Amino acid sequence: QKEVEQNSGPLSVPEGAIASLNCTYSDRVSQSFFWYRQYSGKSPELIMSIYSNGDKEDGRFTAQLNKASQYVSLLIRDSQPSDSATYLCAPWGTNAGKSTFGDGTTLTVKP
Amino acid sequence: NAGVTQTPKFQVLKTGQSMTLQCAQDMNHNSMYWYRQDPGMGLRLIYYSASEGTTDKGEVPNGYNVSRLNKREFSLRLESAAPSQTSVYFCASREAGYTFGSGTRLTVV
Repeated sequence: QKEVEQNSGPLSVPEGAIASLNCTYSDRVSQSFFWYRQYSGKSPELIMSIYSNGDKEDGRFTAQLNKASQYVSLLIRDSQPSDSATYLCAPWGTNAGKSTFGDGTTLTVKP
Repeated sequence: NAGVTQTPKFQVLKTGQSMTLQCAQDMNHNSMYWYRQDPGMGLRLIYYSASEGTTDKGEVPNGYNVSRLNKREFSLRLESAAPSQTSVYFCASREAGYTFGSGTRLTVV
């Protein structure tokens, strides 16, 4: 079982809608999480970090962390076609030689 | 700020040839990583270096070797390339979140 599981995609939403991306993790030690965005043919880029329980907002993006449920999510409000990408979540911490990344959820925002 | 610089960006090798992928970071990070990503797949860890002078195997180390030359540089070597090593290779460094290089697209024919 992978350390991090992401909701299977692809996910398609109309422009202006809210996109919800989810991630569950198995390591109870994980305290912080990062969300990355990867455009097709490009490298992943860090877009959000969340270090404590609750919500963290940054513009149209909100990251939510629930440590009790071992669940982290990313909400994208007012989705734009430019948000179309694969989104990866990863915990902070040692990885014992394993990739800490989920397989990603591919989001398509349709105009 | 250059961040993480990888070279080359593209490479075609014949089966059995060798090559070294270069990676350098200017953020003074201790940890550096090599990942590969196959089409439609997730990132798989090849090797990592938690600090200068140390290297450890990741999930898919077979067919690869690495060198942490100094704190800035972490190279990946393919001694005898195989078609199964056709992939996109990403170098990354990390303080908290990862910073990735732009990737090397390697094709082995």
